Amino acid sequence: QSVLMQPPSVSAAPGQRVTISCSGTSSNIGNNYVSWYQQLPGTAPKVLIYDDNRRPSGIPDRFSGSKSGTSATLGIAGLQTGDEADYYCGTWDYSLSAVVFGGGTKLTVL
Amino acid sequence: QVQLVESGGGLVKPGGSLRLSCAAPGLSFIDYDMSWIRQAPGKGLEWISYISSSGSPTIYYADSVKGRFTISRDNAKKSLSLQMNSLRVDDTAVYYCAIAAGTWWFDSWGQGTLVTVSS
Repeated sequence: QSVLMQPPSVSAAPGQRVTISCSGTSSNIGNNYVSWYQQLPGTAPKVLIYDDNRRPSGIPDRFSGSKSGTSATLGIAGLQTGDEADYYCGTWDYSLSAVVFGGGTKLTVL
Repeated sequence: QVQLVESGGGLVKPGGSLRLSCAAPGLSFIDYDMSWIRQAPGKGLEWISYISSSGSPTIYYADSVKGRFTISRDNAKKSLSLQMNSLRVDDTAVYYCAIAAGTWWFDSWGQGTLVTVSS
């Protein structure tokens, strides 16, 4: 059971927009920045979003992040088949003194 | 893109030990905090340890490895290590090293090294 809760799977058609939620508590999301990672099959994770809504250089603006209270959301617009991957949220949990991740969400582009 | 290269994975029996290494030859290694993160087969990401960049480093461990694993770094050799003792079957995973940015996000990841604990 992960500390951060994500839906196991989401799906949408090419060109559409999808959102992935990440739910936590005041010990983690509510008081710390959230990051999001994309893991393509057979590869290492790659950061998409950090500090709730900032994109590293090279990440297209199709990817966006937002946070409200103890929940965060990753948005992916203009879906492409190459976006099929597992997506993870992560943050620091001050009550655990540990980084915590969500269980991951598998995105299928239909 | 920063290159991080893990090594040292392999097959080990329960109760055994293994030492993982992460080389960062092109990195100004001393400037960066580092972490180990693992992923069991077919499962999600699990952060396991963190070490700050220099001086008397700050170190954190996940409860699942505390007392069994030890993180260390050699800034002169630009190398991060993870000494894993008393290994259990549920330590079986791909182990990644990653640069830990200031607000607890992971900037660059290695390709991972597989540790299999089995009798």
